[in-house]
Amino acid sequence: QVQLVESGGGVVQPGGSLRLSCAASGFTFSSYGMHWVRQAPGKGLEWVAFIRYDGSNKYYADSVKGRFTISRDNSKNTLYLQMNSLRAEDTAVYYCAKDFGRPSSVTLYFDYWGQGTLVTVSS
Amino acid sequence: EIVMTQSPATLSVSPGERATLSCRASQSVSSNLAWYQQKPGQAPRLLIYGASTRATGIPARFSGSGSGTEFTLTISSLQSEDFAVYYCQQYNNWPPELTFGGGTKVEIK
Repeated sequence: QVQLVESGGGVVQPGGSLRLSCAASGFTFSSYGMHWVRQAPGKGLEWVAFIRYDGSNKYYADSVKGRFTISRDNSKNTLYLQMNSLRAEDTAVYYCAKDFGRPSSVTLYFDYWGQGTLVTVSS
Repeated sequence: EIVMTQSPATLSVSPGERATLSCRASQSVSSNLAWYQQKPGQAPRLLIYGASTRATGIPARFSGSGSGTEFTLTISSLQSEDFAVYYCQQYNNWPPELTFGGGTKVEIK
């Protein structure tokens, strides 16, 4: 069965950096696009970033563009999110999510989600 | 950016009753709309995509309709496990600028 397990969250000071990881199993990771989606405490969902199945293209929400970098290592079945210049408003649970659809295609909605990792930006 | 607006924010429904949730887009998203269910402490679950297609394993009591700017999620007869928060999400843009509605909480009346 599909499993997505995030790690790397924690408490970081404003201006600091953090790298999140998402370990994938149960499907052919190298064939699917992947996303990061976040949810601030008690708030709704916000899409953060998307990377194509082969890493050839990456897209970001305006709120994180220039500060966050999505990447993947298909040999390790792992997705990453490098977060720099963190702000208080980046505090959220970060979910990795698999793009729906046929292998090597893009649909831009999410059929499997991890359980999330909490990032808290605070001094 | 396409703004998604959900209404009502909270819906109080008795078990067995019908629930109707609305989602409005600030501009047309064609049928490029998905619905998710989220329970406390859990990740969201995909219910509907393409505005009206149920995802695998989703019960038939969930149905989606609409196109353009107006969408509806209907739960025909609420079960205890359906009390949750529901989000709509548009995926009409390329490059992607995916946006969610603010959510509708379905609570027990």
